[in-house]
Amino acid sequence: EAGVTQFPSHSVIEKGQTVTLRCDPISGHDNLYWYRRVMGKEIKFLLHFVKESKQDESGMPNNRFLAERTGGTYSTLKVQPAELEDSGVYFCASSQEALLTDTQYFGPGTRLTVL
Amino acid sequence: AQKITQTQPGMFVQEKEAVTLDCTYDTSDQSYGLFWYKQPSSGEMIFLIYQGSYDEQNATEGRYSLNFQKARKSANLVISASQLGDSAMYFCAMSFYTNAGNMLTFGGGTRLMVKP
Repeated sequence: EAGVTQFPSHSVIEKGQTVTLRCDPISGHDNLYWYRRVMGKEIKFLLHFVKESKQDESGMPNNRFLAERTGGTYSTLKVQPAELEDSGVYFCASSQEALLTDTQYFGPGTRLTVL
Repeated sequence: AQKITQTQPGMFVQEKEAVTLDCTYDTSDQSYGLFWYKQPSSGEMIFLIYQGSYDEQNATEGRYSLNFQKARKSANLVISASQLGDSAMYFCAMSFYTNAGNMLTFGGGTRLMVKP
């Protein structure tokens, strides 16, 4: 069974440009999460989808970030316009249920560099 | 607010020896889960082990065990018989319910280096 996949693995863009990150969860996982780790800081929660619905987007830093999960399968995270402080690693995770006992399985991350 | 603290930014261990990675947490919730993930240099986050707040026995998975001391709010990871492939970043995380769903909160990580 395929794990969580993310695309691209790396992205280097100029400040002010737009970038779209993609995440494909494990097949059958209704719950999809986005996290990010900016330089020198801890991994932080961004948002949680249940199927196509945003369950919790309290971690989204500002309105330059837009996440979607059309059809409840893959998800995209768009940053527009990108700023220098957006540089970091963006992780996607998925789980079958959203209980405290459910393991979130992570993808390899997308390393975003904003110049 | 929930918080995870990993006080060891980096550690060395000799191959074949055991090592303990520290993790303390702070929460007022009664229900939570504790996870350890490994991140090798390739970047992916690999799930290692889980402990529930109501579990009375310490979790074990192969060479990994979790030393859970609820009263002290600690969830240390013990790796027995270290291997060179254990060299990686290790993250402790806690799951908890929010008003809307659930999420993981992470510690800052510990970089483990296994010496041959």
